[in-house]
Parts: sequence; C-alpha cells; structure tokens
Amino acid sequence: DAGITQSPRHKVTETGTPVTLRCHQTENHRYMYWYRQDPGHGLRLIHYSYGVKDTDKGEVSDGYSVSRSKTEDFLLTLESATSSQTSVYFCAISERATEAFFGQGTRLTVV
Amino acid sequence: GDSVTQMEGPVTLSEEAFLTINCTYTATGYPSLFWYVQYPGEGLQLLLKATKADDKGSNKGFEATYRKETTSFHLEKGSVQVSDSAVYFCALRSGGGADGLTFGKGTHLIIQP
Repeated sequence: DAGITQSPRHKVTETGTPVTLRCHQTENHRYMYWYRQDPGHGLRLIHYSYGVKDTDKGEVSDGYSVSRSKTEDFLLTLESATSSQTSVYFCAISERATEAFFGQGTRLTVV
Repeated sequence: GDSVTQMEGPVTLSEEAFLTINCTYTATGYPSLFWYVQYPGEGLQLLLKATKADDKGSNKGFEATYRKETTSFHLEKGSVQVSDSAVYFCALRSGGGADGLTFGKGTHLIIQP
C-alpha cells in the first residue's frame, strides 16, 4: 500500500470554526490531491498540488484553502466550517499522468 | 469538460453470477481509464487500468477493455463472490495529469450467498 496517512480520521466540529486536515505521504510523489466524497456525487476534486507551494483549485474549491510547504505534507483548511462541508475527505497522490493512490479518508461532521 | 457515467445501483447479484458494470466517458484527447474499488469504511483501491485504446486491464478476476470507438470501459467478472461486495468507481485522467482524476458516481455492488 502507498504510504499515505490522513489525520484526523474522524472529527466533529461546530459551524463557523476553522478546521485543518492533514495528508502525509512517504512516497515522494509530486502530485497531491484533496477530494470529498458525498452520496450521489462520487468523488469531487477540491484542490490539488503539483509541487511545493504550487497549488490550484478543483471543481469544488469554495470555502477551502490548501498549503504545501513540504513535498510530503498537504493541508486542507476549512476557514469557517459549514454544515454543507460535512463529508468524507480523501487525500490522493500520484506521479505524473498515472493512477492515484488514496488515503483512508477523514470523516468530518459539522454540527 | 471530462465526465464519467456509470450505473449507480445498487446492483444485487447471487454468488457465482456474471458481473457487468457499465462505464462510458467523455474526454478530450486520449485519457487513461481506471476502475477503483472501495470497501466499507476504507479508501479507494486501484483495481485495474488501461492507458490506450484496445488495452485490457485485469486484476483479481476482473477485466475491462478500453473501447475508444464506443468511449466505454465496462467492468466484468465471470463469477462473483460475496467478498466482491463493495462500491466500484470508474475514473479517467486526461492531459498531463496535474489536475487529477474525474470519477463516476460509483456503483454499489451487493453479492448475496
């Protein structure tokens, strides 16, 4: 299995609070991604990174920001959590135009 | 933009039945195609892939052939087992790869003993 660790695995937070999810990889892959998974929507791309300090928006980026200060870490921040951001969040990594490898996911509940 | 369409299910089959999960796509150029599987409470695992037309990906008894003429990548297995119960996602990647995979909505497969 690819070395991808997401933390925390579960989190419950209140509306309006900031939340940061962490993705750590040990594979030295260049590309990192954050997806959210919701019933009826499959997986949708939030943000991605193609190198240290190089990031870009995905399909559903509103309300989210990311940072990548080291190759191995990719952080996803919800600046002010809303109930619509209750979801399962997956980090993925890949090298060039190949398949992506996924972490175990973080289940976030915003109450 | 790119898109993937697959039957959502749930698809319920008896053990040892033949499985087909349809997947069609829309993409520019020549995408790479993938099937991922997700077991309850887990992340997505790559099941198989194909990177060019007429390629056949296979793994664990599952197969899928990249059909450019019909823009399809249907997943098949000759004899399913209870342990194959999971959600299956068809996905594609086009272009240089920086902007990630595009996924279908997933097909929930239930195999009954």
